[in-house]
Amino acid sequence: KNEVEQSPQNLTAQEGEFITINCSYSVGISALHWLQQHPGGGIVSLFMLSSGKKKHGRLIATINIQEKHSSLHITASHPRDSAVYICAVNTGTASKLTFGTGTRLQVTL
Amino acid sequence: GAGVSQSPSNKVTEKGKDVELRCDPISGHTALYWYRQRLGQGLEFLIYFQGNSAPDKSGLPSDRFSAERTGESVSTLTIQRTQQEDSAVYLCASSLQGGGGYGYTFGSGTRLTVV
Repeated sequence: KNEVEQSPQNLTAQEGEFITINCSYSVGISALHWLQQHPGGGIVSLFMLSSGKKKHGRLIATINIQEKHSSLHITASHPRDSAVYICAVNTGTASKLTFGTGTRLQVTL
Repeated sequence: GAGVSQSPSNKVTEKGKDVELRCDPISGHTALYWYRQRLGQGLEFLIYFQGNSAPDKSGLPSDRFSAERTGESVSTLTIQRTQQEDSAVYLCASSLQGGGGYGYTFGSGTRLTVV
């Protein structure tokens, strides 16, 4: 079993829909990260969380430390949001990231 | 620099040849990481540098893989006697410090194809 599990693996949505991507982890962490990977491979860091909730534009990330669960929400989705969204954690005090397998999001017109 | 720079962006090499991949992190970032992403798969950790030393090399898949970092800046990942299973995108990332809890900036990666 992977230490970091994401769901769904694939998601198709119509423009304007509210999207939720889930991440569960089974180990103690110091931080959780949401990353975005566009076709072509470039990775952008969206959020780093250790508690609570963060918002940036149409993106919202939440984390529940007790339940070992995080969600990434996209409001008013747009085709340019189409990408792979990756959840990653720092386990314990580790510097390296442990990654989930990613959620491939396709937003259509 | 303004971002993490990796070179080359693409590399095609013959099986058995050695390759060197370069990463230039953000100036002042003491922590540097190498990750690998095989086609259709998730990201795998290779090695972590804090300054010029590598406290975690646990992800290097074999002794054909080595890396160094000099001047608390540029890092080079070397793969000797390349094999087809080494084909992947090699990504470098840097952060202000190690120990978790700091944001990461990723380079655009080097796509390595071993033929």
